[in-house]
Amino acid sequence: DAKTTQPNSMESNEEEPVHLPCNHSTISGTDYIHWYRQLPSQGPEYVIHGLTSNVNNRMASLAIAEDRKSSTLILHRATLRDAAVYYCIDKLIFGTGTRLQVFP
Amino acid sequence: EAGVAQSPRYKIIEKRQSVAFWCNPISGHATLYWYQQILGQGPKLLIQFQNNGVVDDSQLPKDRFSAERLKGVDSTLKIQPAKLEDSAVYLCASSLGGIRANVLTFGAGSRLTVL
Repeated sequence: DAKTTQPNSMESNEEEPVHLPCNHSTISGTDYIHWYRQLPSQGPEYVIHGLTSNVNNRMASLAIAEDRKSSTLILHRATLRDAAVYYCIDKLIFGTGTRLQVFP
Repeated sequence: EAGVAQSPRYKIIEKRQSVAFWCNPISGHATLYWYQQILGQGPKLLIQFQNNGVVDDSQLPKDRFSAERLKGVDSTLKIQPAKLEDSAVYLCASSLGGIRANVLTFGAGSRLTVL
């Protein structure tokens, strides 16, 4: 079964960059790596996805290891609104995610 | 565009009662998913539909849970009879489907409390 591993929690100060890691050693060669985040009392929200190359969008950047067994979600300047649980998923399977706390 | 609509937002029932949740996906999205999220855990996929056919229901407890998507648009998830451990948020999501990079859009969820 597909499985991702993430740290349970991370902390950041506002305006600082945040690097959220994920291991997905069972990902197949043609499956995309997706990242979602979930704010309290809301459904998960799409953040970014990628296959092999690093990706950027208005929310974040995604750095994918050359062997594709891990990736890192990068929030360039954390804001209080970025406090959420961040999930990387493989084959529609969510792990327990990383709870990001952002301090003013 | 309108998002994924779910109802009811909250439901409280006693064990052994039945409950149904409704989902209206984004217009044009062929694929629909139901997830169960227990407090403190990540969402768990229960069932995936492609149009009105089931793609994957391997994690659906079929002795008590059922789901349908009769016309390939709206979907209903039913639990009968409910158990205490069914207390969770039931999330519906939809996607265009058919492509590996397809992005899921989630609804706000239906929170079920079983007493």
